[in-house]
Amino acid sequence: GENVEQHPSTLSVQEGDSAVIKCTYSDSASNYFPWYKQELGKRPQLIIDIRSNVGEKKDQRIAVTLNKTAKHFSLHITETQPEDSAVYFCAASTGTASKLTFGTGTRLQVTL
Amino acid sequence: SAVISQKPSRDICQRGTSLTIQCQVDSQVTMMFWYRQQPGQSLTLIATANQGSEATYESGFVIDKFPISRPNLTFSTLTVSNMSPEDSSIYLCSVAGGSGGQPQHFGDGTRLSIL
Repeated sequence: GENVEQHPSTLSVQEGDSAVIKCTYSDSASNYFPWYKQELGKRPQLIIDIRSNVGEKKDQRIAVTLNKTAKHFSLHITETQPEDSAVYFCAASTGTASKLTFGTGTRLQVTL
Repeated sequence: SAVISQKPSRDICQRGTSLTIQCQVDSQVTMMFWYRQQPGQSLTLIATANQGSEATYESGFVIDKFPISRPNLTFSTLTVSNMSPEDSSIYLCSVAGGSGGQPQHFGDGTRLSIL
C-alpha cells in the first residue's frame, strides 16, 4: 500500500519568513495530493491540493509543487503570519474521492 | 462544500462498553470514510463506509471491533466495541464526491476517552 513520509516534524519560523514542508510517496498510482491544516482541537481543513497532471499550484500565500518522477511534493507558505501556526498534513490518494494516506504531520510555529 | 454533523462531539466511557458515533451530511455524497487520530498523531483510515453493503476495512481494523453502517448516501455510523483505554482517540468522519466531485472534507470529530 501507499506510504507517505513528511518532513520536518516541527518547524519554527519568524513572522514574514517562508515555510516549506516536504512529502514523499511510494505508490506510483497516486495522482492526487491534498494538504490539510489542523488547528488545536479542530478538524483538519483542506487548504490546497494538486493533481498529477499539474506541476505547481498557487493560492495567495500558499503553493504546492509536485515532482512525479521523484515522487515528491511540497507545501510552500510565504509571508507567514501567526495564524498560520498549526499542524499541517500532506496526503496521497488515487483520486479526489478515494481514501487518503496521510503523512505524519508538521507542527508549524510562527513567532513574532 | 457539504456540511458534516458528527455526534457525539465527545464522550467518556467505561472499558468493556460500546459507543456508536453518527455522521450526517446535508447532501448526498459518493464516499464516506472513518479515520482515527490518536493523541498527537496523524490520521489513520479505519474503513470506507459503502452504501448498502459491508464496509471495506484497512489492515489492522476488523468489523467485530469497528462495525460500520451506511444505510443511505447521507448517513453513516461507526461503533467502537468492547472499548479499552487504547481506543481513546479522536474518530473523524469524512466525505467526498457528490455533486461537483468535491474532495475530502472532515467532520469535527468525536473525542473519545476510555476509563
